[in-house]
Amino acid sequence: AQSVTQLDSHVSVSEGTPVLLRCNYSSSYSPSLFWYVQHPNKGLQLLLKYTSAATLVKGINGFEAEFKKSETSFHLTKPSAHMSDAAEYFCVVTRFSGNTPLVFGKGTRLSVIA
Amino acid sequence: DAGVTQSPTHLIKTRGQHVTLRCSPISGHKSVSWYQQVLGQGPQFIFQYYEKEERGRGNFPDRFSARQFPNYSSELNVNALLLGDSALYLCASSLGPGDYGYTFGSGTRLTVV
Repeated sequence: AQSVTQLDSHVSVSEGTPVLLRCNYSSSYSPSLFWYVQHPNKGLQLLLKYTSAATLVKGINGFEAEFKKSETSFHLTKPSAHMSDAAEYFCVVTRFSGNTPLVFGKGTRLSVIA
Repeated sequence: DAGVTQSPTHLIKTRGQHVTLRCSPISGHKSVSWYQQVLGQGPQFIFQYYEKEERGRGNFPDRFSARQFPNYSSELNVNALLLGDSALYLCASSLGPGDYGYTFGSGTRLTVV
């Protein structure tokens, strides 16, 4: 079984300050992990993915995440928030090299204050 | 190149009615997956199809069904609609099972009244 816990339902940061969105996962198998972003009334856009290569994963728009197996965590960070980063963010787990569906967390809403 | 196309974008139905949602994948993608996103929650897996065959099914009642056509487009059907079926329905396409290059459409917003 696989599951994801996003530790914060809402995070608010000031523009130009760092962003940290926290995600813990549980998986019976070696996991593949993803972060997706969803802007209002839009579909999901892939930010980055971890599939057993380098544990520090760089994504689009300056985001990155680090896979920490000992902590079962995959936190998303960005050094400096932009107004355009305001959106809903989803941490996602699936089985590495397996045909299993994506399992989404409940999401973290990021607000960016000018 | 066009992305994943879903139609309609919005839909209002009455309890007990039937609805059909449509999805066209990215050219070259042979797998289509459907997800339901209830307001305030993350998407939940409904179905995956590959080469016209069902490859996976989530924990949804038999009122939900789907199929995939020879051109790899897909339909999601929901019978006997309930108020709780109100949600954003997302379609994702990928090259095939186990390919993590999912591309999501913008979804169909279904409201059941």
